[in-house]
Amino acid sequence: DAKTTQPNSMESNEEEPVHLPCNHSTISGTDYIHWYRQLPSQGPEYVIHGLTSNVNNRMASLAIAEDRKSSTLILHRATLRDAAVYYCILSFSGGYNKLIFGAGTRLAVHP
Amino acid sequence: DSGVTQTPKHLITATGQRVTLRCSPRSGDLSVYWYQQSLDQGLQFLIQYYNGEERAKGNILERFSAQQFPDLHSELNLSSLELGDSALYFCASSVGIGPTEAFFGQGTRLTVV
Repeated sequence: DAKTTQPNSMESNEEEPVHLPCNHSTISGTDYIHWYRQLPSQGPEYVIHGLTSNVNNRMASLAIAEDRKSSTLILHRATLRDAAVYYCILSFSGGYNKLIFGAGTRLAVHP
Repeated sequence: DSGVTQTPKHLITATGQRVTLRCSPRSGDLSVYWYQQSLDQGLQFLIQYYNGEERAKGNILERFSAQQFPDLHSELNLSSLELGDSALYFCASSVGIGPTEAFFGQGTRLTVV
């Protein structure tokens, strides 16, 4: 399974954009990039996923580098509720959506 | 509410015992995944089923077993429990087998004493 590297922690202020980076230099052409987050005392929650093109949904945007060796999750306006651990995960397209979680990035949001 | 139901929410048992954790996936979801989350190990993938068949296996101990039934609910059986098995166990489900959104339950907190 290809690995991802994320910063251990990041901080943001409320209502400011947040850019969460993820490096995945060993990504293969058929690996999808997924982002999940886990709020305190809850199960992980899907945020977004993509393959090559940038993706947007109501929760966030995913910017994927042209060489696909890195990606950035963008929260456009952070709220206190966005404080969570964010996981960047790769899944092989033929691998039954097997999601292997790393340590993630703990995001703190300040009022 | 993710639509994935896990029971029980909390479980306290003694070392050496056996327990069964139950997961009901979202309506229409055919894939079920099990994860273990402990403080020192993070979220560990255990096993995945699709439409009743095992499709992927992770770091699941031999003392642990799982199955997915014809009605698509799944059970995770943990036997000969040790103190180190104390953890949160999450179940997730997704509609198919391709890269897609997985929905996680609230977890079962297992405490082995």
